[in-house]
Amino acid sequence: GAVVSQHPSRVICKSGTSVKIECRSLDFQATTMFWYRQFPKKSLMLMATSNEGSKATYEQGVEKDKFLINHASLTLSTLTVTSAHPEDSSFYICSASLRTGNEQFFGPGTRLTVL
Amino acid sequence: QKEVEQDPGPLSVPEGAIVSLNCTYSNSAFQYFMWYRQYSRKGPELLMYTYSSGNKEDGRFTAQVDKSSKYISLFIRDSQPSDSATYLCAIQETSGSRLTFGEGTQLTVNP
Repeated sequence: GAVVSQHPSRVICKSGTSVKIECRSLDFQATTMFWYRQFPKKSLMLMATSNEGSKATYEQGVEKDKFLINHASLTLSTLTVTSAHPEDSSFYICSASLRTGNEQFFGPGTRLTVL
Repeated sequence: QKEVEQDPGPLSVPEGAIVSLNCTYSNSAFQYFMWYRQYSRKGPELLMYTYSSGNKEDGRFTAQVDKSSKYISLFIRDSQPSDSATYLCAIQETSGSRLTFGEGTQLTVNP
């Protein structure tokens, strides 16, 4: 149980385009989903916290108009990187928190490369 | 001062060794403690979750928490090459709140 999926696993796009990443909790309902960014050989950096049906809470320094988050249901959250630039290239990982628990379960990550 | 300190390593041990991974934290308000394993280019996988001082064992893994010293550890017994990964400690203040991660320790177990 407690499986989180992400799609796509890898995406390469041209500068200026927008990219949508989906995060799904497959076998449980997630009240809260989190979006992280990870640079090579670095730890995870929290970008935003997303609660179903409400606006996401962004961490300081993360542009909410650049990284659009939609948490439409208890099993789906999406992150859209708008007008992507090469500096947005990174590994993006989501996690989901069980409705009744503390643990966060992570997706497999999405590697974004912006040319 | 970082909220969570973790030695990034790298740590290299022979197969069968006991591995000790550690984190310290500064905020006594932290209540929940987790260890994640992350293989290269994969998402973190939850290994252990504890919320009280003391030891918690799961197979070859033992998580230890000392709240008075603000110190947490993960021990791996009979380490295997498949344990080679980055190990991240994560700490949480309240139920369901954001995780604060350590830098991660890169472990290599040599056959």
